[in-house]
Amino acid sequence: GNSVTQMEGPVTLSEEAFLTINCTYTATGYPSLFWYVQYPGEGLQLLLKATKADDKGSNKGFEATYRKETTSFHLEKGSVQVSDSAVYFCALSSSGGAQKLVFGQGTRLTINP
Amino acid sequence: DTGVSQNPRHKITKRGQNVTFRCDPISEHNRLYWYRQTLGQGPEFLTYFQNEAQLEKSRLLSDRFSAERPKGSFSTLEIQRTEQGDSAMYLCASSLARGTGVEQYFGPGTRLTVT
Repeated sequence: GNSVTQMEGPVTLSEEAFLTINCTYTATGYPSLFWYVQYPGEGLQLLLKATKADDKGSNKGFEATYRKETTSFHLEKGSVQVSDSAVYFCALSSSGGAQKLVFGQGTRLTINP
Repeated sequence: DTGVSQNPRHKITKRGQNVTFRCDPISEHNRLYWYRQTLGQGPEFLTYFQNEAQLEKSRLLSDRFSAERPKGSFSTLEIQRTEQGDSAMYLCASSLARGTGVEQYFGPGTRLTVT
């Protein structure tokens, strides 16, 4: 079945550091890929997505590129802020049927000033 | 757009009791999903509705779980004879069926504690 593997956390960085959170997936067909974020005390919200190979999703300075050859969708940001502290989830959905989300286990990110 | 709402936000119950959660999706969304999230893990799919029809159920959804979406609007998730292993955050999400890669909008969740 479909699955997502994320870089284990927690990850702690200083403000303005470069961030990478690794995500790889296993899926049949051509899934869509997502990064969701959960800020402290809030619900899950979509950060960015990509729906086909070589697409780049971007939002709030975060980027991720859909790499079919390496089955990866790594999240990057050039300069993190304290306000980026949250739990980040990589997820995929199949192209047909329910399009239910399959999530990775999440990566807790803490940014220190 | 008031977002997805869930009630109650927290529920503490004794083992063996029945509990029911409610989800109100974004009004024009025809798809509704239930997920369960345990501590330190990502959400896991439980079930899915398109309008009022329940089209898919996970094997995680034992016979003690039942979900409904009457008239294709709000949805309820009932757990009968709760067990300590049912303690988790129950998340509801909704979306508008429209091609692939459609965003799901999540509610704040209902945290269930079974004592």
